[in-house]
Amino acid sequence: NAGVTQTPKFQVLKTGQSMTLQCAQDMNHNSMYWYRQDPGMGLRLIYYSASEGTTDKGEVPNGYNVSRLNKREFSLRLESAAPSQTSVYFCAISTGGLGYTFGSGTRLTVV
Amino acid sequence: GQQLNQSPQSMFIQEGEDVSMNCTSSSIFNTWLWYKQDPGEGPVLLIALYKAGELTSNGRLTAQFGITRKDSFLNISASIPSDVGIYFCAGLNYGGSQGNLIFGKGTKLSVKP
Repeated sequence: NAGVTQTPKFQVLKTGQSMTLQCAQDMNHNSMYWYRQDPGMGLRLIYYSASEGTTDKGEVPNGYNVSRLNKREFSLRLESAAPSQTSVYFCAISTGGLGYTFGSGTRLTVV
Repeated sequence: GQQLNQSPQSMFIQEGEDVSMNCTSSSIFNTWLWYKQDPGEGPVLLIALYKAGELTSNGRLTAQFGITRKDSFLNISASIPSDVGIYFCAGLNYGGSQGNLIFGKGTKLSVKP
């Protein structure tokens, strides 16, 4: 997963707490994505950013906000965490015809 | 929106057996991709297919881009324990409004030594 760095790797939150998941790339690509992965559901797109300064909703945006701070960084924020947001979160960048390169994930548990 | 139907959902096989999985779509794609996700990691690209009818190999892996551009399959020959993981197909079209890579729900592969 070289080129896409996600932090933290693990996090436990209490219901109602907020947190920001960080993603940074060193591959100079425009498009960045946030996915969540749940058992049997595959990868579902939360938000994406086609370029610096732009963001768009994906399939499951409710309960999340994003910021494309600059070309390198794309963060995902949970303002008031809920147990339904317990999941594994992946950041990805688009590498054109080679699809996406993924980070190694953030495992979030909301209790 | 576009959806991919990936099957089977899971497979339990004996080491040394061959494996076959496939993806179908109601829409056409310009590119088909196959990813593998090891436990605790993000998906990693295995094979990319760019032309209808294309057959591509990567070691023990073989994948084909269906002639109708609506399907693809992945075969793994002589499976080994490190083949364990989740395999995702993905269809790619350039442009589009909601990100341009559509994923199947994955095939979870378990290999008994």
